[in-house]
Amino acid sequence: DADVTQTPRNRITKTGKRIMLECSQTKGHDRMYWYRQDPGLGLRLIYYSFDVKDINKGEISDGYSVSRQAQAKFSLSLESAIPNQTALYFCATSDSGQGLQETQYFGPGTRLLVL
Amino acid sequence: AQKITQTQPGMFVQEKEAVTLDCTYDTSDQSYGLFWYKQPSSGEMIFLIYQGSYDEQNATEGRYSLNFQKARKSANLVISASQLGDSAMYFCAMKFSGTYKYIFGTGTRLKVLA
Repeated sequence: DADVTQTPRNRITKTGKRIMLECSQTKGHDRMYWYRQDPGLGLRLIYYSFDVKDINKGEISDGYSVSRQAQAKFSLSLESAIPNQTALYFCATSDSGQGLQETQYFGPGTRLLVL
Repeated sequence: AQKITQTQPGMFVQEKEAVTLDCTYDTSDQSYGLFWYKQPSSGEMIFLIYQGSYDEQNATEGRYSLNFQKARKSANLVISASQLGDSAMYFCAMKFSGTYKYIFGTGTRLKVLA
């Protein structure tokens, strides 16, 4: 079984709809992240969480919100989806105890299309 | 400013040959980690290899090795004996001491030819 899972894997929605992307991990890591990937722009950080009570905005948090329901679960919501939120979304996890070698492990991604 | 640059948007390599994917970085920090990830067409991001700035030896993981030249600020990924399954996007990333933050390059698309 995958260590970091994301649901759904693909989603088509309409402008104005609220949607939630979910992420679960079995790696026991304390840190979790949400990124979006757009062609030619690489990966951009939306939100990150160091533990259940520590949630922070990344570089592109406008239009998004998150919830860390447990150490293993981190969900991303689009309150009112718009077409320029069409992207590939990744959840990632890491172990803060690894210092410089703190490797981020990614889920399989969610492809979101907003019409 | 801290920055990662991957200058090769796309590359081709013949199956069974070696290929080098370039990554240069800009930082005044002395303590940092360098990572390479593979993204196949299916979309997932797969961690390949890590190199610490204080590591004296180049990292190796199977067919992957990292040609780390600290003075030149480069961390090139070398894939030996290329396979068709190596066709993918490859991202270089960097992490600095005392921070959670990764900086990613824009990626290099590798195509392995039969």
